[in-house]
Amino acid sequence: GENVEQHPSTLSVQEGDSAVIKCTYSDSASNYFPWYKQELGKGPQLIIDIRSNVGEKKDQRIAVTLNKTAKHFSLHITETQPEDSAVYFCAASRQAGTALIFGKGTTLSVSS
Amino acid sequence: DVKVTQSSRYLVKRTGEKVFLECVQDMDHENMFWYRQDPGLGLRLIYFSYDVKMKEKGDIPEGYSVSREKKERFSLILESASTNQTSMYLCASSPRPGSGELFFGEGSRLTVL
Repeated sequence: GENVEQHPSTLSVQEGDSAVIKCTYSDSASNYFPWYKQELGKGPQLIIDIRSNVGEKKDQRIAVTLNKTAKHFSLHITETQPEDSAVYFCAASRQAGTALIFGKGTTLSVSS
Repeated sequence: DVKVTQSSRYLVKRTGEKVFLECVQDMDHENMFWYRQDPGLGLRLIYFSYDVKMKEKGDIPEGYSVSREKKERFSLILESASTNQTSMYLCASSPRPGSGELFFGEGSRLTVL
């Protein structure tokens, strides 16, 4: 089955810096790669996703890149703010809306 | 507004007890999922369902079962709770295969003593 590796497990940045989180996956049939943000005491929420026919997607300060050949994808957050502090999870599946396999998460801390 | 409700936020049970974790969604979604979340292990898939009366095992189904008698409700059952099932349990739903995001509930933190 699918296996998703995520790095780093913790990341500390200064406000205004950029943050990058990287994931690799094992199943070459995976076609859907979402990123979820989990704030303390809440369930994860989707922040951005990308499908395999696209190499990059951007939404304001957040961008995701995908390299299908190398089986890795990354989350980029620019101009970080304290409210970006949370746990971030990458995930993969063969189809949007189906069961996701998640990475182990990255705890991002943004200090002002 | 999208809503996935997990009936119990915190539960404390004894070893050997039968435990029911209930999840209800009000969005008429076809798909529902149960994950458990442990520090350093991320979210691991226990069971999922793409239709009423249908269920599929995820990556860690041992010690768990599920019930989906109605479209909006997906229950996770621990037949005989053990201490290694102490965890945060997250329920999620999505409209249908091929469609968009999983919506998560706020989680049920279960402690088994």
